[in-house]
Amino acid sequence: DADVTQTPRNRITKTGKRIMLECSQTKGHDRMYWYRQDPGLGLRLIYYSFDVKDINKGEISDGYSVSRQAQAKFSLSLESAIPNQTALYFCAVSSGRARNEQFFGPGTRLTVL
Amino acid sequence: GEDVEQSLFLSVREGDSSVINCTYTDSSSTYLYWYKQEPGAGLQLLTYIFSNMDMKQDQRLTVLLNKKDKHLSLRIADTQTGDSAIYFCAEILSYNTDKLIFGTGTRLQVFP
Repeated sequence: DADVTQTPRNRITKTGKRIMLECSQTKGHDRMYWYRQDPGLGLRLIYYSFDVKDINKGEISDGYSVSRQAQAKFSLSLESAIPNQTALYFCAVSSGRARNEQFFGPGTRLTVL
Repeated sequence: GEDVEQSLFLSVREGDSSVINCTYTDSSSTYLYWYKQEPGAGLQLLTYIFSNMDMKQDQRLTVLLNKKDKHLSLRIADTQTGDSAIYFCAEILSYNTDKLIFGTGTRLQVFP
């Protein structure tokens, strides 16, 4: 079983709809991250959380919100989706120790029409 | 600044060596990483180097770090079609260990 899972894997929605992307992990790590990937722009950090009560904005948090429901679950919401939020979204987890390797989920491809 | 730059594409023949380059602007990096993203998948850590090292070798992979020029490279020897992927360099900064700074990614295409 995968250590970091994301649901859904693909989603097509319309402008103005509210969308929630979910991430779960079995690695037992405290730190969880949401990134968005766009061609030629690499990965950009949206939000991150170091424990259930800790939420931090990344570099592109506008238009997004998150919820850390439990140590193992971190969800990303688009309150009112717009076409330029069409992208590949990745969840990642890390322990924060040693070399601080981040483990990534398989990604969610979101299309906003 | 926290910019990490990579060229977007690299095409090599199977069996040749590939060299993927990365430049960064912030000299306070502690760890620098290479991640690999295969089609339809998330990123996986390929290798990493601590900032007090100049070189690290791991089987077909060689990482070179030039701190003076703020330049990181990944050499893949005997490149195979299975090496076709997007490669991201990333750094973690000494004054902000909260997050990774990713490069733009280099798409490596290996042809027979």
